[in-house]
Amino acid sequence: NAGVMQNPRHLVRRRGQEARLRCSPMKGHSHVYWYRQLPEEGLKFMVYLQKENIIDESGMPKERFSAEFPKEGPSILRIQQVVRGDSAAYFCASSPPGNPAGYTFGSGTRLTVV
Amino acid sequence: AQTVTQSQPEMSVQEAETVTLSCTYDTSESDYYLFWYKQPPSRQMILVIRQEAYKQQNATENRFSVNFQKAAKSFSLKISDSQLGDAAMYFCAYRGLNTGTASKLTFGTGTRLQVTL
Repeated sequence: NAGVMQNPRHLVRRRGQEARLRCSPMKGHSHVYWYRQLPEEGLKFMVYLQKENIIDESGMPKERFSAEFPKEGPSILRIQQVVRGDSAAYFCASSPPGNPAGYTFGSGTRLTVV
Repeated sequence: AQTVTQSQPEMSVQEAETVTLSCTYDTSESDYYLFWYKQPPSRQMILVIRQEAYKQQNATENRFSVNFQKAAKSFSLKISDSQLGDAAMYFCAYRGLNTGTASKLTFGTGTRLQVTL
């Protein structure tokens, strides 16, 4: 049973480009969460999704950031027109329904904006 | 809003010795979960130990144990018989059970643990 799979592991983008980060949850997990970790800081919640629904996006920046979790395929975190301040590690986690403590994290995607 | 505070940016322990990492939190909820995560240089977030607030007994996982003081809102991690592989960043985290808090973990800023020979 593979864990939470994130790709790419590293992503370099020039300022103004778009970044797409992918997350495949563990088998049987239908809840996906995205977190951002700035250098030397803890993880900060961004968004919580279930299949085809955004449940809580209280941590998402209002502009340029969006997330989806389609019926088929991985969850995608999309950052448009990236800026240097978007450079961070982005983590995805998943959990099964009805188990709020059953969080499993992926290895993260490190985004570098040059 | 819930907050988690880790007041020790760095700690050092000798191999085979015991070290305690501190964590305090603030919440108005009565039921919640508390966690300690380990983040080695590989960046992977590894769950070390979990505590349910309704349980008075402190959680233990092999060499890792917690001292959970609900009234004081304190949740410290004790690592016994420290090993070189324990060197990592350690994050304390909170998860509520109410609508609005159940969907997210709130993390502290972390403690970097060094293990020396």
